[in-house]
Amino acid sequence: EIVLTQSPATLSLSPGERATLSCRASQSVYSYLAWYQQKAGQAPRLLIYDASNRATGIPARFSGSGSGTDFTLTISSLEPEDFAVYYCQQRSKWPYFGGGTKVEIK
Amino acid sequence: EVQLVESGGGLVQPGRSLRLSCAASGFTFDDYAMHWVRQTPGKGLEWVSGINWNSDTIGYADSVKGRFTISRDNAKNSLYLQMNSLRAEDTALYYCAKALGSALDYWGQGTLVTVSS
Repeated sequence: EIVLTQSPATLSLSPGERATLSCRASQSVYSYLAWYQQKAGQAPRLLIYDASNRATGIPARFSGSGSGTDFTLTISSLEPEDFAVYYCQQRSKWPYFGGGTKVEIK
Repeated sequence: EVQLVESGGGLVQPGRSLRLSCAASGFTFDDYAMHWVRQTPGKGLEWVSGINWNSDTIGYADSVKGRFTISRDNAKNSLYLQMNSLRAEDTALYYCAKALGSALDYWGQGTLVTVSS
């Protein structure tokens, strides 16, 4: 099983700032990496698939990059609604998730 | 509009069984793989099981292998999860999710399973 490690566990930022979230895989997942946003009491929402493709309806301030074992989710300028928990997910054969990064208001 | 609606959760004693259902609409159900993902309150996401479009490829997390069975009925646009020999550690919110290649692009709102005596 490929393990995904997300860092940091918590990111404290102010609205308007840039957020950079990291996801590292224990072995290569090629570009089969997705990012999700989850707000309290809601189901996860797909943001990015195949490392860098924005899902339908996702604002351009969200971008994904990386391949192999190191991936990054960048939120260029945080909006109030972006404070949430973010998960990465790989699918070597079946989907597995990282432990999450909480983006909180500083 | 894609909709996934889970049902069948509830309070159950350890060792008993429960069957979850997921009713799908708004897309061609039998074109896509489907998955169950669970989340313990306040914790992260754990993939539970997945099934491809025609049920010939099925997978389970090690934590549920031998106890849970996933199935689908394409004629009814429905996904199921039969959960046997339930344990306290199976307590979670269970989500049904639609696959988009290697990602999960639509999720239901979840059904809560509580295993307790």
